[in-house]
Amino acid sequence: ILNVEQSPQSLHVQEGDSTNFTCSFPSSNFYALHWYRWETAKSPEALFVMTLNGDEKKKGRISATLNTKEGYSYLYIKGSQPEDSATYLCASDSGGGADGLTFGKGTHLIIQP
Amino acid sequence: GAVVSQHPSRVICKSGTSVKIECRSLDFQATTMFWYRQFPKQSLMLMATSNEGSKATYEQGVEKDKFLINHASLTLSTLTVTSAHPEDSSFYICSASRAGVTEKLFFGSGTQLSVL
Repeated sequence: ILNVEQSPQSLHVQEGDSTNFTCSFPSSNFYALHWYRWETAKSPEALFVMTLNGDEKKKGRISATLNTKEGYSYLYIKGSQPEDSATYLCASDSGGGADGLTFGKGTHLIIQP
Repeated sequence: GAVVSQHPSRVICKSGTSVKIECRSLDFQATTMFWYRQFPKQSLMLMATSNEGSKATYEQGVEKDKFLINHASLTLSTLTVTSAHPEDSSFYICSASRAGVTEKLFFGSGTQLSVL
């Protein structure tokens, strides 16, 4: 059974500050790593799908890196804004097939004005 | 684009009744739909995977006779919780894939089920 861990569980950040959090996953049988942003009362929204070791992806002020050999990914937010407040989920895909994803518990980010 | 609509968003029912949750892909054909359950402070846990026109594949420990999944078309999957009991109270959420799991998933907004 895959075990995907995210840390910290929750995080309070001052508006304008940059922040980052971690997703760790088993490095064996790795296929892809997903990041989602989940705002309260809305649907989780895909941020990134990463597959290659050393990959770095960027979407506006948000970026993510991937280390498949050691089994971790970092999500970075630069210059946090109140609209960044959400739960950020990562999920590991070990099969590449229709088996679904194994999710972490998420990092709950609160941006304080 | 790629909107998934899930209804209802919240349901309260009496023990012993059945509850149906719908998941629709509004602007694309979903080759595969996934159903997850989340208990408080826990991860999203995959319950089952369904492909249009075929029987769902259930994860270990998920009773297929209790959680009936129907994926009758490429845009609609339903989850029916039969004879619901208080321990079935949870947050249920669907997601849809266009072209396999390695593509990003498109999620519904979830259903909070409370069984009295």
